[in-house]
Amino acid sequence: AQSVTQPDIHITVSEGASLELRCNYSYGATPYLFWYVQSPGQGLQLLLKYFSGDTLVQGIKGFEAEFKRSQSSFNLRKPSVHWSDAAEYFCALSTDSWGKFQFGAGTQVVVTP
Amino acid sequence: DGGITQSPKYLFRKEGQNVTLSCEQNLNHDAMYWYRQDPGQGLRLIYYSQIVNDFQKGDIAEGYSVSREKKESFPLTVTSAQKNPTAFYLCASRWVHGYTFGSGTRLTVV
Repeated sequence: AQSVTQPDIHITVSEGASLELRCNYSYGATPYLFWYVQSPGQGLQLLLKYFSGDTLVQGIKGFEAEFKRSQSSFNLRKPSVHWSDAAEYFCALSTDSWGKFQFGAGTQVVVTP
Repeated sequence: DGGITQSPKYLFRKEGQNVTLSCEQNLNHDAMYWYRQDPGQGLRLIYYSQIVNDFQKGDIAEGYSVSREKKESFPLTVTSAQKNPTAFYLCASRWVHGYTFGSGTRLTVV
């Protein structure tokens, strides 16, 4: 069975500093991978996705993620965070283009002045 | 604009009552999903439906029921058999590029 692990439950970062959120997955083939962001009391918004091809994926709000097959990872990065990036971030996996997702437990990001 | 509408945003339930959470989409997506979110536990799948008049149990279906009589609608009923229903409930639909989520319903038992 497939699984998604987000090792960091909580990350604190200073405004203007870089951010990297880790995501590791377990699946026997190349999965479809996603990153979502959730503001308090809201639904989830898609940041970016990886299906195939270029392993560096650009998303919205200045985020990017890199798929590394050898490490079974799909880490999310942003070069310079803004206070509005404070939110919870979820990594998700799907085994095909129409199937249900497996979500990680989420990483809460706090941005300090 | 197309999207998913969940209502109500806040819902209070008394012990022993059934309550129904509404989820409506105008995206023409076939597949729809219900997730429960608790602090520190991520999103757990309750039920999903890939086509009208058909649905499957997810990981935590006990105490919940659903129907899918129309493509646009996928209501979730939280029954009195669900012993700990206080949570944030998210509805989603699936297309090739991923999930589209509603804005959620926060259910509290009083």
